[in-house]
Amino acid sequence: LAKTTQPISMDSYEGQEVNITCSHNNIATNDYITWYQQFPSQGPRFIIQGYKTKVTNEVASLFIPADRKSSTLSLPRVSLSDTAVYYCLVGDVSGAGSYQLTFGKGTKLSVIP
Amino acid sequence: GAVVSQHPSWVICKSGTSVKIECRSLDFQATTMFWYRQFPKQSLMLMATSNEGSKATYEQGVEKDKFLINHASLTLSTLTVTSAHPEDSSFYICSATTFGYEQYFGPGTRLTVT
Repeated sequence: LAKTTQPISMDSYEGQEVNITCSHNNIATNDYITWYQQFPSQGPRFIIQGYKTKVTNEVASLFIPADRKSSTLSLPRVSLSDTAVYYCLVGDVSGAGSYQLTFGKGTKLSVIP
Repeated sequence: GAVVSQHPSWVICKSGTSVKIECRSLDFQATTMFWYRQFPKQSLMLMATSNEGSKATYEQGVEKDKFLINHASLTLSTLTVTSAHPEDSSFYICSATTFGYEQYFGPGTRLTVT
């Protein structure tokens, strides 16, 4: 299982860019890296997914170095509504592997006005 | 987008009784569904993986006879907590996938056992 490590918490002011890094030293060849956002008493919400290099969508960017042993979620210009727990998930849901899905402990992001 | 629902959203039951939680993919067929458990202020822990028409695969440490999973169709999976005890109180979350490398999560079910 690819164990993941994230910072427990981060604080940021509104309008700033936030970067959250996840370490996954023993990531497998078939594993993808997915980031989720979770609000209290709700299911996780998909943010972004990647395999290598850089991925960008309308809400975030994901940076993955060549060795894939870590990844960084970048949230541009955060707002108060971005206060949530962010999870890094490493695993393979393609059906090619054995669905070894490991959530990190999550990073609680607090956005300060 | 892909929507996954769960029912009920919250349930309270007495110790020793059983409770069933439903997970439905509303607008797509899910080849695989996952069940997670989340205790307060903790991360999601994968309990089991279920494929339509076959037995669920349970993670190490999860009691198969206590957490019964049925995946009878491509849009429905159920989790039954049998003989529930207070320590089973938790937030149960399901997700579904169609081999698209993405899991679609349900809103979760809060179970309280008294």
